[in-house]
Amino acid sequence: QSALTQPASVSGSPGQSITISCTGTSSDVGGYNYVSWYQQRPGKAPKLMIYEVSNRPSGVSNRFSGSKSGNTASLTISGLQAEDEADYYCSSYTSTTTRVFGGGTKLTVL
Amino acid sequence: EVQLVQSGAEVKKPGESLKISCKGSGYSFTNHWIAWVRQMPGKGLEWMGIIYPGDSDIKYSPSFQGQVTFSADKSISTAYLQWSSLKASDTATYYCARRLPTAKGFDYWGQGTLVTVSS
Repeated sequence: QSALTQPASVSGSPGQSITISCTGTSSDVGGYNYVSWYQQRPGKAPKLMIYEVSNRPSGVSNRFSGSKSGNTASLTISGLQAEDEADYYCSSYTSTTTRVFGGGTKLTVL
Repeated sequence: EVQLVQSGAEVKKPGESLKISCKGSGYSFTNHWIAWVRQMPGKGLEWMGIIYPGDSDIKYSPSFQGQVTFSADKSISTAYLQWSSLKASDTATYYCARRLPTAKGFDYWGQGTLVTVSS
């Protein structure tokens, strides 16, 4: 199955807000409210930031929020901080009962 | 404290077999799905599939079906990922991750196991 589509890179200045999109199909993103977002810093394991479209695990800053419209999910980071610089991956449950990741987005804090 | 601790880095030759492990602690190992995720050097994350240690129910991603085998030993709270015949293209870091108890997200991750396959 094809990976979900994410922009390769996004950037923003400290304090600004950025949004990362994640586009799939009706067989994955559009068909289920099971989109997750993961942050991965270089050389580290991924970290869950958002699950089931818009839920934050305990300990994750409320500067991170998620949403979905149709076949596209979005991760918004407000009040951008230097520590947010990382790769971000979306993931969705799929009709084949497995999951699929997006290609990843590199966030640069200017 | 919930932890997933993976076995150490491996260097293998093409055609060799390999089994890597992921040991869970600090929670009920049998009640949470465990996923395996591949990350090839400099590339993105790829879902390999998931296993439910409670009854060894397994769902492989189509891309990995027949290429790898998942298993779990409840008695020692350990999940395994194995290959019967490695290829150079299996060179990657492999992560295990625990699914949230009642939601579809993976909240705890192992540190990753780097597998290098080279002649």
